[in-house]
Amino acid sequence: SQKIEQNSEALNIQEGKTATLTCNYTNYSPAYLQWYRQDPGRGPVFLLLIRENEKEKRKERLKVTFDTTLKQSLFHITASQPADSATYLCALGLYGNNRLAFGKGNQVVVIP
Amino acid sequence: GAVVSQHPSWVICKSGTSVKIECRSLDFQATTMFWYRQFPKQSLMLMATSNEGSKATYEQGVEKDKFLINHASLTLSTLTVTSAHPEDSSFYICSASRGWDRAYEQYFGPGTRLTVT
Repeated sequence: SQKIEQNSEALNIQEGKTATLTCNYTNYSPAYLQWYRQDPGRGPVFLLLIRENEKEKRKERLKVTFDTTLKQSLFHITASQPADSATYLCALGLYGNNRLAFGKGNQVVVIP
Repeated sequence: GAVVSQHPSWVICKSGTSVKIECRSLDFQATTMFWYRQFPKQSLMLMATSNEGSKATYEQGVEKDKFLINHASLTLSTLTVTSAHPEDSSFYICSASRGWDRAYEQYFGPGTRLTVT
């Protein structure tokens, strides 16, 4: 069956350190992968998009890698800040009409 | 830019009634809009995809006669939950995209919390 797996345990990290989140998937062949941030009771906010032929993407303090052989994406927040505390969602882009399949998300708590 | 609004932000209704939720893209034209529902601590589940002027495409297991979607213009889509029941209580979120034929980010609305009593 198709699965998108993100760590269900919250990641507690000290301010200033790098937070690394993992997204693993099975029985999908995504054309691209996206990461979103979601705060409680709010809709997700787009962060980064990486295509299947790209290995790495950066945006300010964020970095995403995409390994289609391992079927895995890593999401890094460098120099983390308390304002980065949120749930981060991995979403696989499926071929045709831009549909997304979401993981359950991984909560990050940055401790001052 | 790329702001999506939803109305209402929360609604409480009695079992058996219908509820309409509006989704608007405020500063761009959305070729495609999506409707999701999310239960607590669960992932967003795609319910349907709609393109302006055409019928919505529903995901497997979603009743199209119960969840009516109308994408009347490039900036407005509505979701009507008909004959709502307590099990329909959930967080409904729409998103809008500028295209459908290649990778586009989706811009999400703030969500609508539906409680059916």
